[in-house]
Amino acid sequence: DTAVSQTPKYLVTQMGNDKSIKCEQNLGHDTMYWYKQDSKKFLKIMFSYNNKELIINETVPNRFSPKSPDKAHLNLHINSLELGDSAVYFCASSQEYYETQYFGPGTRLLVL
Amino acid sequence: DQQVKQNSPSLSVQEGRISILNCDYTNSMFDYFLWYKKYPAEGPTFLISISSIKDKNEDGRFTVFLNKSAKHLSLHIVPSQPGDSAVYFCAASRGTDKLIFGTGTRLQVFP
Repeated sequence: DTAVSQTPKYLVTQMGNDKSIKCEQNLGHDTMYWYKQDSKKFLKIMFSYNNKELIINETVPNRFSPKSPDKAHLNLHINSLELGDSAVYFCASSQEYYETQYFGPGTRLLVL
Repeated sequence: DQQVKQNSPSLSVQEGRISILNCDYTNSMFDYFLWYKKYPAEGPTFLISISSIKDKNEDGRFTVFLNKSAKHLSLHIVPSQPGDSAVYFCAASRGTDKLIFGTGTRLQVFP
């Protein structure tokens, strides 16, 4: 009964490929997020959706596109992967936008 | 521009003693502060929070102190236990704005 789940947990791929990471939450929350934790351990928000509507879109390359089919899911699609995309990507959710966030276990992406 | 800083990347404490993790911030408009705990291969887990109208919040062995004039936040864990060994992130936000995280402090509690 995992609250926030992500698949896959590990992703190793070649430069130039397109990949997707899926996130699902069963907490009934209205808001979902994608964060990136880079090699320097900074945890930075990338996107936030509230009730399937995009409310935060930080300065990330256009190659990153979030998709929210319903409020329990927020997937992240990455086109033309680059070496610098290697990081841990965390999905999170909260009831309202400014409330406590609950994180998934992370997806470790390695681009070769 | 790093608005939330955790200047100690690591801290080692003996079991039973107090652990003090520190966090400094630069934006005086922040009004809500949180601590998250992260074990390896897991996502961060919410631990404790404090709003800017308070200077202390306590939850069991965990106490967060806020010094607004110094723009400083600290987390006290007493007594420390081996299961507390993890990376601790502080985070801050202003109103309904996004959370800004620090880079984390790795706490090791040894027997």
